Amino acid sequence: DGGITQSPKYLFRKEGQNVTLSCEQNLNHDAMYWYRQDPGQGLRLIYYSQIVNDFQKGDIAEGYSVSREKKESFPLTVTSAQKNPTAFYLCASSFGQGNEKLFFGSGTQLSVL
Amino acid sequence: GQNIDQPTEMTATEGAIVQINCTYQTSGFNGLFWYQQHAGEAPTFLSYNVLDGLEEKGRFSSFLSRSKGYSYLLLKELQMKDSASYLCAAQRNDRGSTLGRLYFGRGTQLTVWP
Repeated sequence: DGGITQSPKYLFRKEGQNVTLSCEQNLNHDAMYWYRQDPGQGLRLIYYSQIVNDFQKGDIAEGYSVSREKKESFPLTVTSAQKNPTAFYLCASSFGQGNEKLFFGSGTQLSVL
Repeated sequence: GQNIDQPTEMTATEGAIVQINCTYQTSGFNGLFWYQQHAGEAPTFLSYNVLDGLEEKGRFSSFLSRSKGYSYLLLKELQMKDSASYLCAAQRNDRGSTLGRLYFGRGTQLTVWP
């Protein structure tokens, strides 16, 4: 079955530690996205990638980094520079041709120890 | 920035009809999405409107007025499983880009009572 897979479901980060969230899709989508969701707030865009080897900052990119070495994969690293990382992180993908119906992964809940 | 406004919470009873409104102020607007999200799960696509008017899909319908910057999601014959957060998202194309970015509202938490 085609879909978008995020792992892990739950992740804990210690102070000063970098952690990486995985996102894989087999929908043959060109575009991929990372969103952050906090209680009572809308989804906020962290980074997005329209094509392999290219990515752009979203609205809240500080403290995060990404790579897009393969079409199927768009991992997100939460660095120690992100001082408030506790949130629900959602990865999404789309065809990237104008009508951007997003398909979402099941999310990763990141918490700080 | 992009302003997407929708009510924070709504309640209704099983079998009733509920309308969730969304207003937006988005430059370069080119479409309005509605998603449903159950707690701790991924948002799932409900509807997409790009032209003015009503789109009906089973128990769910969505309306758009581009001139008023207004949309609503109409849910009929409510069921307990419809209790969820409903996200309104406006799409715009950044200048020079073919990719449409979605800007999300804060979501409307709908609770359906028996």
